[in-house]
Amino acid sequence: EAGVTQFPSHSVIEKGQTVTLRCDPISGHDNLYWYRRVMGKEIKFLLHFVKESKQDESGMPNNRFLAERTGGTYSTLKVQPAELEDSGVYFCASSQGVGPPWNEQFFGPGTRLTVL
Amino acid sequence: AQSVAQPEDQVNVAEGNPLTVKCTYSVSGNPYLFWYVQYPNRGLQFLLKYITGDNLVKGSYGFEAEFNKSQTSFHLKKPSALVSDSALYFCAVPLEGIGGSYIPTFGRGTSLIVHP
Repeated sequence: EAGVTQFPSHSVIEKGQTVTLRCDPISGHDNLYWYRRVMGKEIKFLLHFVKESKQDESGMPNNRFLAERTGGTYSTLKVQPAELEDSGVYFCASSQGVGPPWNEQFFGPGTRLTVL
Repeated sequence: AQSVAQPEDQVNVAEGNPLTVKCTYSVSGNPYLFWYVQYPNRGLQFLLKYITGDNLVKGSYGFEAEFNKSQTSFHLKKPSALVSDSALYFCAVPLEGIGGSYIPTFGRGTSLIVHP
């Protein structure tokens, strides 16, 4: 069974540019989460999809971040325009089940974003 | 305020010795508690979780965790550490957010270093 995959693994962009991160969850997992970890700090929740619907996007930092999950399969996270403080590692995770996140999540390897 | 904390940034232990990685929490009601491990250049992997029942939870790779309600702790333990256990460990708990949804909330991680 393929795990959660993320693309790209690394991205280096300049301030003001646009970057799109992609996450492919495990097939059949309705729940998809995006997280960010900045410079050794906590892993911060960004948002949660259930199938194609945004269940909770309370962690999205601002309107420069846009997440989509068309068709309930893969998801993209776009940052436009990128700022220096957006640098960090962006993780995607998926899980089965409905309701609160009581089930184990399967994480992708992350995308390391560097904004110069 | 609801929270989860890992009080140690780093834990050093000699191979063959027992190890403990600490986690404390503050939640209303009964907590659901998780431990994840991240090896270099990999995504987080689920180790174990506590939902209810026996306070001692056994997980992957010989790890176990003890739920202590009076001390609001969920420390990760292993009787005999291996060099290959060296990794970053995260404690996590779903915390109730705005609107009644539950946000997966992670501690800032503890780096475990096992010396040969």
